[in-house]
Amino acid sequence: AQSVTQLGSHVSVSEGALVLLRCNYSSSVPPYLFWYVQYPNQGLQLLLKYTSAATLVKGINGFEAEFKKSETSFHLTKPSAHMSDAAEYFCAVSDRDGANSKLTFGKGITLSVRP
Amino acid sequence: ETGVTQSPTHLIKTRGQQVTLRCSSQSGHNTVSWYQQALGQGPQFIFQYYREEENGRGNFPPRFSGLQFPNYSSELNVNALELDDSALYLCASSSAQAGGETQYFGPGTRLLVL
Repeated sequence: AQSVTQLGSHVSVSEGALVLLRCNYSSSVPPYLFWYVQYPNQGLQLLLKYTSAATLVKGINGFEAEFKKSETSFHLTKPSAHMSDAAEYFCAVSDRDGANSKLTFGKGITLSVRP
Repeated sequence: ETGVTQSPTHLIKTRGQQVTLRCSSQSGHNTVSWYQQALGQGPQFIFQYYREEENGRGNFPPRFSGLQFPNYSSELNVNALELDDSALYLCASSSAQAGGETQYFGPGTRLLVL
């Protein structure tokens, strides 16, 4: 069974500081990995995805993530935080059966950005 | 390109009632998945529909059921509502032809069971 662990439920950074949100996964097969962002009272927006091409994946809003197979990690980073980045961030893993691609999510991390 | 839409946005029901939630998939997408997101938690997979048939189910009881229509839109039905069914229900669509791994989410329906 697949699983995702997001360490820490809350991360607080100052505006302009580095953002690092951690995600570790467990999967019996090479996974697809995703980061989604959820703003208050909204659905999930896809930030970026890893599908076995480049291990460093660039997404929207300046975010990127690096797939490290040896560490079973897919941490999300952004060099300089903006106030608008304050939201809930979810890491998710999907199996590779394309017609039945259920997502397994972590519990999420709340990112706060201090002025 | 039209994104995933869901209706209604909010709903209040009482315990024991039945509810139907609706979802229209993104243009060109033929697969719809439903997720339940309890407060403070990540979304949990309920089931997926492809070609109008259930194509995978999570750990949810049979009182959670669904339909997919020829235009790929979908319904989620929940019978005999319980207090713990209060949650945000998210619909996501994807394209099986394009690999199906990337799911795009709608804004959700927030259900409150009293």
